[in-house]
Amino acid sequence: AQSVTQLGSHVSVSEGALVLLRCNYSSSVPPYLFWYVQYPNQGLQLLLKYTSAATLVKGINGFEAEFKKSETSFHLTKPSAHMSDAAEYFCAVSDSSASKIIFGSGTRLSIRP
Amino acid sequence: EAGVAQSPRYKIIEKRQSVAFWCNPISGHATLYWYQQILGQGPKLLIQFQNNGVVDDSQLPKDRFSAERLKGVDSTLKIQPAKLEDSAVYLCASSLVASKGPETQYFGPGTRLLVL
Repeated sequence: AQSVTQLGSHVSVSEGALVLLRCNYSSSVPPYLFWYVQYPNQGLQLLLKYTSAATLVKGINGFEAEFKKSETSFHLTKPSAHMSDAAEYFCAVSDSSASKIIFGSGTRLSIRP
Repeated sequence: EAGVAQSPRYKIIEKRQSVAFWCNPISGHATLYWYQQILGQGPKLLIQFQNNGVVDDSQLPKDRFSAERLKGVDSTLKIQPAKLEDSAVYLCASSLVASKGPETQYFGPGTRLLVL
């Protein structure tokens, strides 16, 4: 069975600081991995996805994530946080044969002025 | 391009009442998903349709939840009777048919349900 674990339900950083949101996955087959963002009272929006091509994946709004098989990790980073980045972030995993996605429990990102 | 539409946005009902949610996916998207998102958790898939056929409903509580997608476009999700633990946001998503790996899912704004 596939699963993802997001370390830290709440992360707070200062505006302009590095953003690092942690995600570890468990999968018996090569996974597809995703990061989604959810702004208050809105649905989820895809930030980026890993589909076994390049291990460093660039997404929208300056975010990127690196797939590390040896660490079973897919951490999300952004060099410089902006106030508009405050939202809930979800890591998710899918196997290579199905479109079903398993979501983590989410990390709420707060940005301090 | 219009996104995924859902209605209503908010609904408050008493336990044992029934409720229905509606979803209109992005035009041309054959696959439609309903998720339940309980406060503080990630979305959990309830049911997945491809056109008007069910692909996966293993997590759907079939004794009280039902869903249909007539004509392979719009979909409705119904709860009858509702329980307190059904309080959640119900998200609808749609995607193109997956041909090689999972297609990007596009989410609607959700329906926030409160059961009293």
